[in-house]
Amino acid sequence: EAGVAQSPRYKIIEKRQSVAFWCNPISGHATLYWYQQILGQGPKLLIQFQNNGVVDDSQLPKDRFSAERLKGVDSTLKIQPAKLEDSAVYLCASSLHGGGLAKNIQYFGAGTRLSVL
Amino acid sequence: SQQGEEDPQALSIQEGENATMNCSYKTSINNLQWYRQNSGRGLVHLILIRSNEREKHSGRLRVTLDTSKKSSSLLITASRAADTASYFCATDLGGGATNKLIFGTGTLLAVQP
Repeated sequence: EAGVAQSPRYKIIEKRQSVAFWCNPISGHATLYWYQQILGQGPKLLIQFQNNGVVDDSQLPKDRFSAERLKGVDSTLKIQPAKLEDSAVYLCASSLHGGGLAKNIQYFGAGTRLSVL
Repeated sequence: SQQGEEDPQALSIQEGENATMNCSYKTSINNLQWYRQNSGRGLVHLILIRSNEREKHSGRLRVTLDTSKKSSSLLITASRAADTASYFCATDLGGGATNKLIFGTGTLLAVQP
């Protein structure tokens, strides 16, 4: 099966500019996650969707970050305006929804490396 | 905030040796998972251990869980150069359908050929 697709792979912008990342999860996966991974750290959850509804966005900086998952399939994460501290890798992951341990395993895309200058 | 702290932060071994990484966490969990991340790539799921399990094996991987000490260890036996990667523990706190994982800080493993 095809994995989680993300684009672009790399993005360089100047501070105060805006940027958007795209994610297409594994077919049939109802749950989609966006993580921020700063160099040398583990991934931090930004937002979690189940189908097209938000389950958890408690760590999303809502003054500058936004995300949507129209039609419950692919998703877009936007930053506007970007700050220097937003430089990180943005990872998208997906998982099944339903009973059993299968829903506990997350499948990750390769990520988008963002550099804010 | 990150739930898990991994130890050591970095580990360098020779091919064929065993590598052990430890993870400590703070709150009760539903299950604990280990993921691997190769440089410039996404994370790949390795193994999941439930809170009522004490040990689990998968190929060259052995995971232990001690809920009384809130700690887990990952052992990679007979390491290979291809095992070079960062390894993260992730705790699933349970609580229904949200399946939220909290990742640790990671251990960077270098296997020298």
